[in-house]
Amino acid sequence: DVKVTQSSRYLVKRTGEKVFLECVQDMDHENMFWYRQDPGLGLRLIYFSYDVKMKEKGDIPEGYSVSREKKERFSLILESASTNQTSMYLCASTRRKGSTGELFFGEGSRLTVL
Amino acid sequence: EDQVTQSPEALRLQEGESSSLNCSYTVSGLRGLFWYRQDPGKGPEFLFTLYSAGEEKEKERLKATLTKKESFLHITAPKPEDSATYLCAVQEAAGNKLTFGGGTRVLVKP
Repeated sequence: DVKVTQSSRYLVKRTGEKVFLECVQDMDHENMFWYRQDPGLGLRLIYFSYDVKMKEKGDIPEGYSVSREKKERFSLILESASTNQTSMYLCASTRRKGSTGELFFGEGSRLTVL
Repeated sequence: EDQVTQSPEALRLQEGESSSLNCSYTVSGLRGLFWYRQDPGKGPEFLFTLYSAGEEKEKERLKATLTKKESFLHITAPKPEDSATYLCAVQEAAGNKLTFGGGTRVLVKP
């Protein structure tokens, strides 16, 4: 079965802290994505990657960075967490190069920034 | 700018009471329309892909249809386990951008 694993289900951090959210997929997928989901705003794309070492900005990249050193791992980094980054973060992957519609999502990481 | 609007925002059904969810979209050329199911506190789970007007896909009690402006997700004789939020997303033909709707929360009471 397809598996996208996010390292932390729940995190509580303080304003200004550096936060790492890790995502690993075991399907040999080329494409990986980070979304955040907020009530009333839906799912919004932060960053995505079509290959190792490659990254592209999504719709809301400000305040975030990403790292993809290995094909199976895609990390989201909050350099200096702020309260408006409190959200549910969802990692996803897809099997076909360039195909972004049939996403396999992880369970999500709920981040609270105090 | 691509827009995806889902209605209603919430739907309460009795077990066995069939209904439909709507996803209307505005996109400059459609590559595909996607339906997902999301349980509380979990990531969305992919259900269907529709590519062209007139296409239909079915899975158990769910049937998705597509026209040029909207898609419907029909739930036939729903059971309590069909309770979830249903999301639709559209992918434009030019590029790979995926735009999600706000979702419809479905509650099926026994």
